[in-house]
Amino acid sequence: DAKTTQPPSMDCAEGRAANLPCNHSTISGNEYVYWYRQIHSQGPQYIIHGLKNNETNEMASLIITEDRKSSTLILPHATLRDTAVYYCIVRVPSNTGKLIFGQGTTLQVKP
Amino acid sequence: NAGVMQNPRHLVRRRGQEARLRCSPMKGHSHVYWYRQLPEEGLKFMVYLQKENIIDESGMPKERFSAEFPKEGPSILRIQQVVRGDSAAYFCASSPRSPGGGNYGYTFGSGTRLTVV
Repeated sequence: DAKTTQPPSMDCAEGRAANLPCNHSTISGNEYVYWYRQIHSQGPQYIIHGLKNNETNEMASLIITEDRKSSTLILPHATLRDTAVYYCIVRVPSNTGKLIFGQGTTLQVKP
Repeated sequence: NAGVMQNPRHLVRRRGQEARLRCSPMKGHSHVYWYRQLPEEGLKFMVYLQKENIIDESGMPKERFSAEFPKEGPSILRIQQVVRGDSAAYFCASSPRSPGGGNYGYTFGSGTRLTVV
């Protein structure tokens, strides 16, 4: 699975959009980009995933660059409850089921 | 529809005792994954199981740790003769089908916090 690079921490004002970047320059053609978050030592929560098209769901939007070497997770209107560690994971759906979590980005939403 | 249920939420064991952690997957899910998060560290994959089968145990320590997912009942992660270094949060996730069969996210439980004293 390709390696990902994320900034260790970010701040965002409540009500504003939070844009979390992820670099995955060695991604291969069949690898998907997944985002999870972990709120204060709770279990990780799946947010969104994509292959090459931009994706949107009720939680967030995922923007993947045309060359697929980077992506951005967008929380359109961040709330205090969005304060969490956000993980960007790149992997091929495979029979091992293994997710490799890096250090992630700690997002602090401030009032 | 209940999510992934893990129990107990907190478990305290003395060194040398056994720890048994339980995970009931979401209804309709037959694939279970265990992860461990040591203090101040990231989540690490331990094992992937289907009903009555261990599919991938590449992340399991070679000794003292075992996992099962019987035909009936929850998945069990068992740690024998616990040591202080086993103190961690253990998370279970489940999925409805094989991870190689499609692209989707896993549903995680709230975890079991094991403290070895």
